[in-house]
Amino acid sequence: AQSVTQLDSHVSVSEGTPVLLRCNYSSSYSPSLFWYVQHPNKGLQLLLKYTSAATLVKGINGFEAEFKKSETSFHLTKPSAHMSDAAEYFCVVSAFYNQGGKLIFGQGTELSVKP
Amino acid sequence: SQTIHQWPATLVQPVGSPLSLECTVEGTSNPNLYWYRQAAGRGLQLLFYSVGIGQISSEVPQNLSASRPQDRQFILSSKKLLLSDSGFYLCAWGKGNNSPLHFGNGTRLTVT
Repeated sequence: AQSVTQLDSHVSVSEGTPVLLRCNYSSSYSPSLFWYVQHPNKGLQLLLKYTSAATLVKGINGFEAEFKKSETSFHLTKPSAHMSDAAEYFCVVSAFYNQGGKLIFGQGTELSVKP
Repeated sequence: SQTIHQWPATLVQPVGSPLSLECTVEGTSNPNLYWYRQAAGRGLQLLFYSVGIGQISSEVPQNLSASRPQDRQFILSSKKLLLSDSGFYLCAWGKGNNSPLHFGNGTRLTVT
């Protein structure tokens, strides 16, 4: 079965410093992986997706993630944090084929950005 | 372009009252549709999904039901709300296996 684990429930960084949000996945086949961002009381916005093409995926707002099959990881990074990056981030893996296109969400990582 | 509309944005309902939340999608045909619930400080729980009109799959036993009367309309309902039904409800659409989901802005439901 597919699953995803976000290793940190909360990450705090200073503005202008790098961001690293960690995610490990488990899948019995080659998965699709996604990162979403959620600002308070808002829906989820897709940041980026990996679908078996290039292992380094670039997303919106300067975020990128690297798919590492040997480590079963899909960590999200950004070189320099901005105050507007403060939000909840979800790592997501696609469910097994023919399960209605369901996605399986991690528990989320709350990112705080200090001035 | 595709858009998803979800309403109302906030709702306060007494225990035992009925519920109807509606979600519609524009700009695409035959989407897969989903209802998720997000409890305070927690991740997303898939409640229902639908791959076509009248086809509903329930992920967890609960006090809620879902219906899909039209291709791009998805409704979440309850006959009698419980306190535990409070939460943030999100509707989403997708185009099937390995595709991302696109979310509405959510409904904040408070059952009092």
